[in-house]
Amino acid sequence: NAGVTQTPKFQVLKTGQSMTLQCAQDMNHEYMSWYRQDPGMGLRLIHYSVGAGITDQGEVPNGYNVSRSTTEDFPLRLLSAAPSQTSVYFCASSQGADYGATNEKLFFGSGTQLSVL
Amino acid sequence: AQKITQTQPGMFVQEKEAVTLDCTYDTSDPSYGLFWYKQPSSGEMIFLIYQGSYDQQNATEGRYSLNFQKARKSANLVISASQLGDSAMYFCAMREALNDMRFGAGTRLTVKP
Repeated sequence: NAGVTQTPKFQVLKTGQSMTLQCAQDMNHEYMSWYRQDPGMGLRLIHYSVGAGITDQGEVPNGYNVSRSTTEDFPLRLLSAAPSQTSVYFCASSQGADYGATNEKLFFGSGTQLSVL
Repeated sequence: AQKITQTQPGMFVQEKEAVTLDCTYDTSDPSYGLFWYKQPSSGEMIFLIYQGSYDQQNATEGRYSLNFQKARKSANLVISASQLGDSAMYFCAMREALNDMRFGAGTRLTVKP
């Protein structure tokens, strides 16, 4: 099973460049999300989606855009990269998107190490 | 406001001993889930254990158990009989009714031979 697939694994950008981190899941999950991981800060939620066509902001959305045109894909766009966006990015998904989906664990991709110079 | 607090940035444990990783949380929602994830040096996030807010019993999964004290809002992870392969970052997380899962800052566990 592929699970959650993220590409690329590594990326180096120059300040001001734009790029898209790809995320795809093959588990027919309704809920998908993007996190960034910085030392000493754990994982912080950037954006999430509870289904195709529906997205919302998390804790740290500034500088990032998302869209959800299909159930499978949830790309994360950096509009104009800044050094502060140097981080490890994780995409994650879970089955439910109901109000009561508190028992659903997240399935994570393998992460993208992004450096912005 | 920080919803998940892990107060131990780093912990050491001797191989074959038990270790407790602390986690406290903050919520006013009666329905929530608590999770622990392991992140080895390779970077992947591995789900370990889950505890629901209405569960009467503490969750257990093999050598992992969750010491759930609801009134104190704590959800400590206990690893019994530590192994060298347990050396990793451990994250506590909570999922409330509106779907978002929030994580603590993590604890780096080092198992000494």
